[in-house]
Amino acid sequence: ETGVTQTPRHLVMGMTNKKSLKCEQHLGHNAMYWYKQSAKKPLELMFVYNFKEQTENNSVPSRFSPECPNSSHLFLHLHTLQPEDSALYLCASSQDKRGGDEQFFGPGTRLTVL
Amino acid sequence: RKEVEQDPGPFNVPEGATVAFNCTYSNSASQSFFWYRQDCRKEPKLLMSVYSSGNEDGRFTAQLNRASQYISLLIRDSKLSDSATYLCVVNEASGGYQKVTFGTGTKLQVIP
Repeated sequence: ETGVTQTPRHLVMGMTNKKSLKCEQHLGHNAMYWYKQSAKKPLELMFVYNFKEQTENNSVPSRFSPECPNSSHLFLHLHTLQPEDSALYLCASSQDKRGGDEQFFGPGTRLTVL
Repeated sequence: RKEVEQDPGPFNVPEGATVAFNCTYSNSASQSFFWYRQDCRKEPKLLMSVYSSGNEDGRFTAQLNRASQYISLLIRDSKLSDSATYLCVVNEASGGYQKVTFGTGTKLQVIP
């Protein structure tokens, strides 16, 4: 399935590195999301963009910086991460966040911070 | 109380068995509900929406009990391929937008 794609699929980075995660959706949706999934924890919503505007930031540390240049693309810029930031980062999209619609998830980026 | 709570399991059931999961939510103003399925090391995928009147899709039945603030998922005639983690999702209105909350998931293992 290619509705929501994410790159890279795996990423290993040091604490001083700067990297970016990319998400692209081909579904014509208006809302995009970043989630963090750590072992034994529920999915944590990080950021929400609706019509390219950030509508939610769930107290995410500033070392995570989202960017949404258009409704189809979403980036998560990473810098000076900590080992506890190692997790699966999932991107999702939905037709319109206000509608409580089904979310379609990308395959995720498995991030390891050394 | 957690916003959305699920028994993490694992539920180990034989093929052909019927199994049910519950999910409780704390906000009585929650508006929409979903069950997602997540296979090991894969992304979550929508299994079914949960409607007030209940809904059925093949071997799967979802129910909503607003009075007691829980949703349920019933799987009949379990197949090996049903082995996965089942995530409960609750949407509530927040500042004009929907706030999406996932449960931790219930792990199901169907054994031959």
